[in-house]
Amino acid sequence: DIQMTQSPSTLSASVGDRVTITCRASQSVSSWLAWYQQKPGKAPELLIHKASSLESGVPSRFSGSGSGTEFSLTISSLQPDDFATYYCQQYKSYSGNTFGQGTKLEIK
Amino acid sequence: QLQLQESGPGLVKPSETLSLTCTVSGVSIISTSYNWGWIRQPPGKGLEWMGSISYSGSTDYNPSLKSRLTISVDTSKNQFSLKLTSVTAADTTVYYCARHYRRFGELYYFDYWGQGALVTVSS
Repeated sequence: DIQMTQSPSTLSASVGDRVTITCRASQSVSSWLAWYQQKPGKAPELLIHKASSLESGVPSRFSGSGSGTEFSLTISSLQPDDFATYYCQQYKSYSGNTFGQGTKLEIK
Repeated sequence: QLQLQESGPGLVKPSETLSLTCTVSGVSIISTSYNWGWIRQPPGKGLEWMGSISYSGSTDYNPSLKSRLTISVDTSKNQFSLKLTSVTAADTTVYYCARHYRRFGELYYFDYWGQGALVTVSS
């Protein structure tokens, strides 16, 4: 199985900050990686797929990059609505379709 | 507008079978571009893909759950369902249904999700 590891587990930041969350795969997943945002009590929402393709309707302050085993999600200027938990998901291997453990983005 | 809604008992006894149904509205479940999947999330923890099904009934399961999991589809009702047997307290989680984008026979990402249903396993 392909394991996904996110870092950091928790990130404290302020409105207006630029933040980056990292996701590492235990083996190459090429560009088959998605990012989701989840707010408390809500379902995850798709932000990015194929590592860097922004889902329709997602603000342009979100961006994704990377390939192979290392990926990142960057928020260029944090807005109050962005404080949430973020998950990466690999889909190179559907026998796992595994998610990272999540990164909680908190207000500093 | 596409919506998914989970339904089913919120309480199941240990060793029994957990059953949930996802009703899809706003779009036909019959599609060659999408499968329909289940994902679960223990309270305060991460996400686990359980399995997915096509409109024709072809299934893909997470190997860790395959022996206990059955996913089925009812195209006449635009629904798909999950059955998980021999449940324990470890199966107490929020269960989400979601649309699973599919291309070239491979399962990709989840682009629409239901709101989630908390199922507690307890006697």
